[in-house]
Parts: sequence; structure tokens; C-alpha cells
Amino acid sequence: GQQLNQSPQSMFIQEGEDVSMNCTSSSIFNTWLWYKQEPGEGPVLLIALYKAGELTSNGRLTAQFGITRKDSFLNISASIPSDVGIYFCAGRRNNDMRFGAGTRLTVKP
Amino acid sequence: GAGVSQSPSNKVTEKGKDVELRCDPISGHTALYWYRQRLGQGLEFLIYFQGNSAPDKSGLPSDRFSAERTGESVSTLTIQRTQQEDSAVYLCASSWGHGSDYGYTFGSGTRLTVV
Repeated sequence: GQQLNQSPQSMFIQEGEDVSMNCTSSSIFNTWLWYKQEPGEGPVLLIALYKAGELTSNGRLTAQFGITRKDSFLNISASIPSDVGIYFCAGRRNNDMRFGAGTRLTVKP
Repeated sequence: GAGVSQSPSNKVTEKGKDVELRCDPISGHTALYWYRQRLGQGLEFLIYFQGNSAPDKSGLPSDRFSAERTGESVSTLTIQRTQQEDSAVYLCASSWGHGSDYGYTFGSGTRLTVV
């Protein structure tokens, strides 16, 4: 099915650095979600955004729902080694949810 | 159970054989979803069940794929005459209901390898 455009595909950063990733789509979504997936596990929900323009934080994570409802970004501040994993954005419209291809994050101690 | 349970966790099958994947959702969750995740890619929607309503099968890639769910409990995803392109992780998720306000809980997936 149609994928969202997520970037970057991968990031290699030093512990303590901030990280930013984003997602865009040609379609409007009612909800934007960010998930983290670790090896051998299913994705785990990090943040859900329900209103255009909404800015939400969860600890060191901050995400925003774009005004146009066609994009979202996720920031991670002061990265730590356990932030390693694949981060997926997802756009939801009723019972239809589409995923980005993921951003693979590597954090060097 | 406490989470979404999927079995088997790994399955290796020969090309042309049929496989059946199982998902036990969280008790009380009325909505259940199947996704496919190819190596290095995002999640591809396959099928969605909501209570006793007719399932949304719009994501099934071919007629070799089918899924069933009995009431609001276990679901099985069946792939007939498997092909190498079917190799992927198959993820199941459940939620309290459908619509934007309900989050999903994913299982750990079944890694299918067709040789």
C-alpha cells in the first residue's frame, strides 16, 4: 500500500546528541503516530498526535503534527544508547493506518 | 494475556506449502489488524477485523492470502502455495476499537521464511 515518505533512512550519532526525523505524505491524516521497533519485537507506540499543529512531548521525545496534516516530525534530545532502534511514523485516517519505511538510529557511546 | 501473542515466532517453509499464522489479541480488544513487514521496510496493511463487522480485506496482496477471526478472539492468517516473495515478518495488532483515538498494541510477529 501507499507508504509515507520518512527521512532520513538511517542515522549514526554520538551519545548526547539530538536527533530529528520527519515524515511527509501527499494525503491528509487525522492522527500521526510515532513508533519504535527493537530487534525481534513489534513496534511500540511512543507518541500520538491528534490535532493539526499539536506539539507533544514524552520525556526526551517531542513530536509535532503539521499544520497541513500531511507531515510530522519527531525529535529526540540528549540521545542515549538505549534509543537505538527503528523509528516509524504512521498516519491514521479512520481504520486506515499507513507507515513510513522507518529511520534506523544507531547511537555510539 | 497481558499483550498480543503471535505464534509461531519463526516459520521456515518450502515454496508451495501452505502456512497458518496465529494471533491472540489482548482480551477485550475488538479490533485486530494484520501487517506485513519486509526486510528493511515499513509495515504494509493486510486486513482488519472490527467486532462482528465484515473485515476490511483491501490490503491482501493476492487470493493466496486469507484471514479469519472468531468473534473478538483469535485470528489466523493463512497463506496458500507460499512463494519466496512471501518471506517477511507478519505482525498482528489489536486495539479497543477503530478510529483515531485508539492506539494499537503489536505482537512480536512471526518471521516467515520461504525456501
